[in-house]
Amino acid sequence: DSGVTQTPKHLITATGQRVTLRCSPRSGDLSVYWYQQSLDQGLQFLIQYYNGEERAKGNILERFSAQQFPDLHSELNLSSLELGDSALYFCASSVKVAGGTDTQYFGPGTRLTVL
Amino acid sequence: DAKTTQPNSMESNEEEPVHLPCNHSTISGTDYIHWYRQLPSQGPEYVIHGLTSNVNNRMASLAIAEDRKSSTLILHRATLRDAAVYYCILRFISNFGNEKLTFGTGTRLTIIP
Repeated sequence: DSGVTQTPKHLITATGQRVTLRCSPRSGDLSVYWYQQSLDQGLQFLIQYYNGEERAKGNILERFSAQQFPDLHSELNLSSLELGDSALYFCASSVKVAGGTDTQYFGPGTRLTVL
Repeated sequence: DAKTTQPNSMESNEEEPVHLPCNHSTISGTDYIHWYRQLPSQGPEYVIHGLTSNVNNRMASLAIAEDRKSSTLILHRATLRDAAVYYCILRFISNFGNEKLTFGTGTRLTIIP
């Protein structure tokens, strides 16, 4: 158990709909990352928040947005869903270690199926 | 991000050592070498990281070439639970210290009972 929790575990919805994925980081971790894993794209970084502020953006679609709340949990909002959005969505949190690098701890993921 | 090259797949017998290679010829002096693994149906899991010297922890050992252009993750005694995709990732040092991970295709390790 990494200490990172994600809900829901599975989500099945229809095209055009909107969903919200939730992530609670490990206690004390200020950074939250979202990654998408699909069969044809592998693990792709979407977005990072640090202590409530957006820190970095990756290959995140305009239909997707995220936020990190004062209690440090994060939500990833996916709207106007398309079939191609079906994927595993992972959240990770991190702690900085000596020398400027860090270790990321991943949650169990949310499996999104768009029908 | 600097690029890493790993074999697509490897097989090993249970209870034998496994050496997973990674080439990173364009590594810069400020890049750390990180290894993560992803077990089936789970999120990625941190394994080990290093900069210049060889590193050991409870999960594995990391051997880094003297010129740092390659490294090897060593699982000393593979078990069936070690079957996973192993990712070698270069991460630059920053003052901030928390940066995204860039995953390649990794090495799919199969353990033969």
